[in-house]
Amino acid sequence: GESVGLHLPTLSVQEGDNSIINCAYSNSASDYFIWYKQESGKGPQFIIDIRSNMDKRQGQRVTVLLNKTVKHLSLQIAATQPGDSAVYFCAETHEDYKLSFGAGTTVTVRA
Amino acid sequence: KAGVTQTPRYLIKTRGQQVTLSCSPISGHRSVSWYQQTPGQGLQFLFEYFSETQRNKGNFPGRFSGRQFSNSRSEMNVSTLELGDSALYLCASSLGRSPGTRFSGANVLTFGAGSRLTVL
Repeated sequence: GESVGLHLPTLSVQEGDNSIINCAYSNSASDYFIWYKQESGKGPQFIIDIRSNMDKRQGQRVTVLLNKTVKHLSLQIAATQPGDSAVYFCAETHEDYKLSFGAGTTVTVRA
Repeated sequence: KAGVTQTPRYLIKTRGQQVTLSCSPISGHRSVSWYQQTPGQGLQFLFEYFSETQRNKGNFPGRFSGRQFSNSRSEMNVSTLELGDSALYLCASSLGRSPGTRFSGANVLTFGAGSRLTVL
């Protein structure tokens, strides 16, 4: 079965607000996590990654938080924009060359 | 520079037929991975190739196969198509360094737009 899952399949957010997308994983051996964004008609696009020896990492307008105790990962998007509307996937790896993806959360930004 | 190119973008086949999908990685990338994306199962790992060698494979039946050429281009083949094979097939490339370096940016996957297969 899946080793990675997302809490909610959809998220609607007002433009300008912050978005939080959650992800739970089950494999305690997972040591590297990545968030991808997929827009309609395109392949997934890398957003940010984090190693298991970290609990927080920041990028441009995005922050990933990792809680290994409860096997939980989240992606925070600051000041959400219409261009942030997409499907967001978390992925984990515990073996080389293979990513295991969650089911995805569809984020819709309201104007 | 050019991204990952997948051909064809769309195709329709009937049950029992076979299909071959092609992937051209980013120039300089030697690793090519394939994923199947469906609404029900999400993104599922098929296999990964590096220097013409398969280094890992997912839990798919033997009808799914792939190969990589010396120029790093890759193809995947699905034989005896079933209705459930309808999906978006995604190819991703990376520099693909040796084991243990997957935390580096060299192993970040860059995906193509996919080949959408419909089996009737």
